[in-house]
Amino acid sequence: NAGVTQTPKFQVLKTGQSMTLQCAQDMNHNSMYWYRQDPGMGLRLIYYSASEGTTDKGEVPNGYNVSRLNKREFSLRLESAAPSQTSVYFCASSVIQDSEAFFGQGTRLTVV
Amino acid sequence: TQLLEQSPQFLSIQEGENLTVYCNSSSVFSSLQWYRQEPGEGPVLLVTVVTGGEVKKLKRLTFQFGDARKDSSLHITAAQPGDTGLYLCAGGIGGNKLVFGAGTILRVKS
Repeated sequence: NAGVTQTPKFQVLKTGQSMTLQCAQDMNHNSMYWYRQDPGMGLRLIYYSASEGTTDKGEVPNGYNVSRLNKREFSLRLESAAPSQTSVYFCASSVIQDSEAFFGQGTRLTVV
Repeated sequence: TQLLEQSPQFLSIQEGENLTVYCNSSSVFSSLQWYRQEPGEGPVLLVTVVTGGEVKKLKRLTFQFGDARKDSSLHITAAQPGDTGLYLCAGGIGGNKLVFGAGTILRVKS
């Protein structure tokens, strides 16, 4: 069972470069989320998508964009990476808002 | 300021001791979830509490949801080294947003 798959697992970017983090789930979930995790900060919500075709900002959306390509896929784009975006990024999905969230294994991003 | 405040941030105890982790908010949640995360992995759900005053037990772990649905606690009895990890509470709020607390790092020494 694949569950939630994130790619890549590791990435190093130079300041100003752009990249897209990919996320796909095979559980037919409606809601998908992107979080970043920094030491002492827990998981902070960047963007979420309640259903296919909708996206909304979370707690820390600045510097990011997202696309809910279809029900399975939810990508996160950094247009011009900054050192402050160095973090571990997690994609998650759930059937609905209050149901169990399933997480990918994370992408460790370093911006130099 | 995080919507969900967890305490303590870090806990280091000996095997066999008991501990309690708290999750507090000024907001009312329809439900709260507790997750456990190990290094290099994503969080995994332990339990969801839905009803104010609800108590759920999972082996040595006891979860409680406050009567006003603004707070929750996780109590571990006779902690074991295998309980080591990051414990996170999470709640759904305002239109499909699932937000997390900062987490409690638990280390159980043998």
